[in-house]
Amino acid sequence: DIVLTQSPGTLSASPDQSVTLSCRASQTVNANYLAWYQHRPGQSPRLLIYEASTRAIGIPERFSGSGSGTDFTLTISRLEPEDFAMYYCQQYGSSPRTFGQGTKIDVK
Amino acid sequence: EVQLVQSGAEVKKPGESLKISCKASGYIFTDDWIGWVRQMPGRGLEWMGIVYPGDSDTRYGPSFQGQVTISADKSTNTAYLQWTSLKASDTAIYYCARNIGTNFFNAWGQGTRVTVSS
Repeated sequence: DIVLTQSPGTLSASPDQSVTLSCRASQTVNANYLAWYQHRPGQSPRLLIYEASTRAIGIPERFSGSGSGTDFTLTISRLEPEDFAMYYCQQYGSSPRTFGQGTKIDVK
Repeated sequence: EVQLVQSGAEVKKPGESLKISCKASGYIFTDDWIGWVRQMPGRGLEWMGIVYPGDSDTRYGPSFQGQVTISADKSTNTAYLQWTSLKASDTAIYYCARNIGTNFFNAWGQGTRVTVSS
């Protein structure tokens, strides 16, 4: 199974700050089949990025994904108040599909 | 607009059975996979499994194989997640989600909270 390790576990940031979240895979993610989700408290998760760098419909341009192989990043430019949430990566290049353990962005 | 509406919260005792549901609308139900994701208290997301309503083909995550049953009824556009004998460790929020090509989830239900306690 591919293990996804996200870092940091918690990131403290201020509004308007730009942040970068990391997702490292234990093996190569085939075809860069990696997605990112946002999960706000009390809400359902929301797809942000798929295929490592393609924004989902309706996702603001301040969210961008990059990476390949085993190392992937999600960058959020200029944090908005609604961006303080949990973020998960998920690989779908191999079975079983797996999620990372998540990164929490909280207010500094 | 794609909508996934899940059944309400459940409180059950260990050993009891349970079937929760997820009604889909806004897309052709038999064209896409639909799956379930678990979130245990204070924990992250876990990929449980998916079903293709067109032919009921089902895939399970290793931790969930044999522990739950995922199914779909194409006559009612509804997906199901069921247990025959609940354990306290099944206490969690369960999300259904539309899965694109066995890959990523691009639309999610509101979640069903399941509490198993004696």
